[in-house]
Amino acid sequence: SQQGEEDPQALSIQEGENATMNCSYKTSINNLQWYRQNSGRGLVHLILIRSNEREKHSGRLRVTLDTSKKSSSLLITASRAADTASYFCATGTNFGNEKLTFGTGTRLTIIP
Amino acid sequence: GAGVSQSPSNKVTEKGKDVELRCDPISGHTALYWYRQRLGQGLEFLIYFQGNSAPDKSGLPSDRFSAERTGESVSTLTIQRTQQEDSAVYLCASSLVFGANVLTFGAGSRLTVL
Repeated sequence: SQQGEEDPQALSIQEGENATMNCSYKTSINNLQWYRQNSGRGLVHLILIRSNEREKHSGRLRVTLDTSKKSSSLLITASRAADTASYFCATGTNFGNEKLTFGTGTRLTIIP
Repeated sequence: GAGVSQSPSNKVTEKGKDVELRCDPISGHTALYWYRQRLGQGLEFLIYFQGNSAPDKSGLPSDRFSAERTGESVSTLTIQRTQQEDSAVYLCASSLVFGANVLTFGAGSRLTVL
């Protein structure tokens, strides 16, 4: 079963605008990660935020985590056409279970 | 190797045939994972290896699915008597050590069962 659910399922914005995607999860976590997937093939790790962190930045990416609401958001600022991809959140428990559980993904389209 | 390598990249088979999918993780990565992704959907966890052992096989969909890993390196995912619902992209990933949850993914093996 899916641990996380991304919202929205699909998002189209103009190049240069900011894109915000949300992720909700169900169980306690040790960390939450965001991955990007192009063309339905391999995923690329973007950023990891630990459960004791509230916000993290990496280049044009900003991730927030609210453990009380069991939710996270990914903000991509100044979007580019190359940002067009599917974005997945993944939660890790690290409580003896090393598998990451992925959400259903947000399909982001950047319109040039 | 420099990255996670999967083969074949594409496989078309007839219903009822067996298939083997191979994953070569990054050299030195002790943890290896298999996921399945159906068209337009998220990733479904199948199995992971810590070294050559698989502590969690709960994600395997049926007893037609099996996986092994040897030499703390190559892993093979075998699907016996394939069904049309097995059609998906099978993704392999590896991570450096136990507890390091950042995964490096391969490009996947796209399986089509006719």
